[in-house]
Amino acid sequence: DGGITQSPKYLFRKEGQNVTLSCEQNLNHDAMYWYRQDPGQGLRLIYYSQIVNDFQKGDIAEGYSVSREKKESFPLTVTSAQKNPTAFYLCARGQGGPNSPLHFGNGTRLTVT
Amino acid sequence: GQNIDQPTEMTATEGAIVQINCTYQTSGFNGLFWYQQHAGEAPTFLSYNVLDGLEEKGRFSSFLSRSKGYSYLLLKELQMKDSASYLCAVRDLYNAGNMLTFGGGTRLMVKP
Repeated sequence: DGGITQSPKYLFRKEGQNVTLSCEQNLNHDAMYWYRQDPGQGLRLIYYSQIVNDFQKGDIAEGYSVSREKKESFPLTVTSAQKNPTAFYLCARGQGGPNSPLHFGNGTRLTVT
Repeated sequence: GQNIDQPTEMTATEGAIVQINCTYQTSGFNGLFWYQQHAGEAPTFLSYNVLDGLEEKGRFSSFLSRSKGYSYLLLKELQMKDSASYLCAVRDLYNAGNMLTFGGGTRLMVKP
């Protein structure tokens, strides 16, 4: 799993409900990221965190919230305020150096009806 | 801001060579990454360039020209399993957090 685990793989919710996606890493990396991918499109950054108890908005943070209470965990909540929540959500970890790639979890496909 | 452009789709024949181009505009270039993504799966890291020139890794090579804001990924001896999307991503010196900004991806179809 590349040291980063997302669950569940598929998630179905009714419109108007909040839903939380799990992301856990076991490599003691400081940086974690949430991206969203829509069909046939690239990845867009939702939130990121560089240290525990601190996180920053990405390009499309509206309708989402995160927490970083523990280094290994960075859950993403998709709130009812998110207008188009159906998407493929990818969590990534990074070692923090400028030349280090991001490594992604296997993703959660969220469908809201 | 950043702007990253890639062709949307490409088709190539098994055994052939294909070049996937990526152009970018960024205020503080600090590295370019290529990822492979099979349908429904996570992107996996392929290559990294920060200096001009060619980086070779087996059948895959990646080239960078910083003055032209241009990179390409070269895939040799194409195999059917190379059918996937290829994502170009850039890191910007002025973005806190070392995040990557991604292009829209190029979907490569390898035909027999």
